[in-house]
Amino acid sequence: DARVTQTPRHKVTEMGQEVTMRCQPILGHNTVFWYRQTMMQGLELLAYFRNRAPLDDSGMPKDRFSAEMPDATLATLKIQPSEPRDSAVYFCASGWAVSAGKDEAFFGQGTRLTVV
Amino acid sequence: TQLLEQSPQFLSIQEGENLTVYCNSSSVFSSLQWYRQEPGEGPVLLVTVVTGGEVKKLKRLTFQFGDARKDSSLHITAAQPGDTGLYLCAGGGSTNAGKSTFGDGTTLTVKP
Repeated sequence: DARVTQTPRHKVTEMGQEVTMRCQPILGHNTVFWYRQTMMQGLELLAYFRNRAPLDDSGMPKDRFSAEMPDATLATLKIQPSEPRDSAVYFCASGWAVSAGKDEAFFGQGTRLTVV
Repeated sequence: TQLLEQSPQFLSIQEGENLTVYCNSSSVFSSLQWYRQEPGEGPVLLVTVVTGGEVKKLKRLTFQFGDARKDSSLHITAAQPGDTGLYLCAGGGSTNAGKSTFGDGTTLTVKP
């Protein structure tokens, strides 16, 4: 049963600490997304990769957020330093996009981040 | 920027009732996806529509893509408590494959 795996599921940290979230996309998918979900803003796209190359990270605060794909089986989202306003659920999703016609994404269960 | 507006924002109905939720935009999309999200979980893909006017059925759920590919609707017949969740629509970009725009969702509660 192929699925996107995210770790950790929950993270509570103090303001100023570094937070790293990890994602294992579905094997064979060529596109990986990082989303943030809050009650106020809904689902926001932070960054996405195609064939491990970053395509768009315009939704991400550059001064504190960074996203990487060190290999095809691992994507990471790092926040340093974390702030209370970063508290949200962070989702990783993967998909197989070969043309602009079927942009399906398969989501992980998310990491619920609380920064106190 | 392509925006998707979903309505209603909240919907609470009794088991057995029918309902329709809407997803509208002024932009044309190459495809449109519907997802359902339950509390504590990630969104789960229900369907993708690609062709203007297309209708797809998934058991009691009927999805329609507008003729101009700018809007979509989701109709649920004889709703059940298991249909409770956040329904999200997402539009695929015509020039940027894989990057979708999400609506804010419709929160549906079906009471037994």
